Amino acid sequence: GENVEQHPSTLSVQEGDSAVIKCTYSDSASNYFPWYKQELGKRPQLIIDIRSNVGEKKDQRIAVTLNKTAKHFSLHITETQPEDSAVYFCAARKNTGFQKLVFGTGTRLLVSP
Amino acid sequence: NAGVTQTPKFQVLKTGQSMTLQCAQDMNHEYMSWYRQDPGMGLRLIHYSVGAGITDQGEVPNGYNVSRSTTEDFPLRLLSAAPSQTSVYFCASSSGTGSGNTIYFGEGSWLTVV
Repeated sequence: GENVEQHPSTLSVQEGDSAVIKCTYSDSASNYFPWYKQELGKRPQLIIDIRSNVGEKKDQRIAVTLNKTAKHFSLHITETQPEDSAVYFCAARKNTGFQKLVFGTGTRLLVSP
Repeated sequence: NAGVTQTPKFQVLKTGQSMTLQCAQDMNHEYMSWYRQDPGMGLRLIHYSVGAGITDQGEVPNGYNVSRSTTEDFPLRLLSAAPSQTSVYFCASSSGTGSGNTIYFGEGSWLTVV
């Protein structure tokens, strides 16, 4: 089955710096890659996603890139702010039957003022 | 439109007790699922349902039962609680087929088994 690895497990940056979180997946049939942000004690919330027919997607300060050949995708956050501090999860899914999301283990991002 | 509603939010159980985590969604979503979240392990799928009357196992189904008698409700039952089931549980729903259908999570249920 699918396996998703996520790195780093923790990431500390200064406010205004960029942050990059990387994930690799094992199943070449996976074709949907969402990113979730989870604040302390809250539910995971979708912040951006990308499908396998697209190489890059951007939404204001966040962007996601996908390299299907290498089977990895990355989350990029520019001009980080303290409110970006949270745990970020990547996930991968195939478009066959039930959409079974397989999650990475999470990255704790800390943005210091 | 409340989205995905889970109850209870917090629960402490003794080993061997049983309980049911309730989940309801008001978005008429076909697909519902239960995940557990443990430190350093992300979210892992316990059970899922693709429609009323249909359920199936995820990655970590042992010790849990589910049923889906209506489209709206998807309760998770712990048959005989064990300390290893101490975790945060999230119910989720989505509208159906298609690679881009957003999965919506409930607010979570914090369960401690002593």
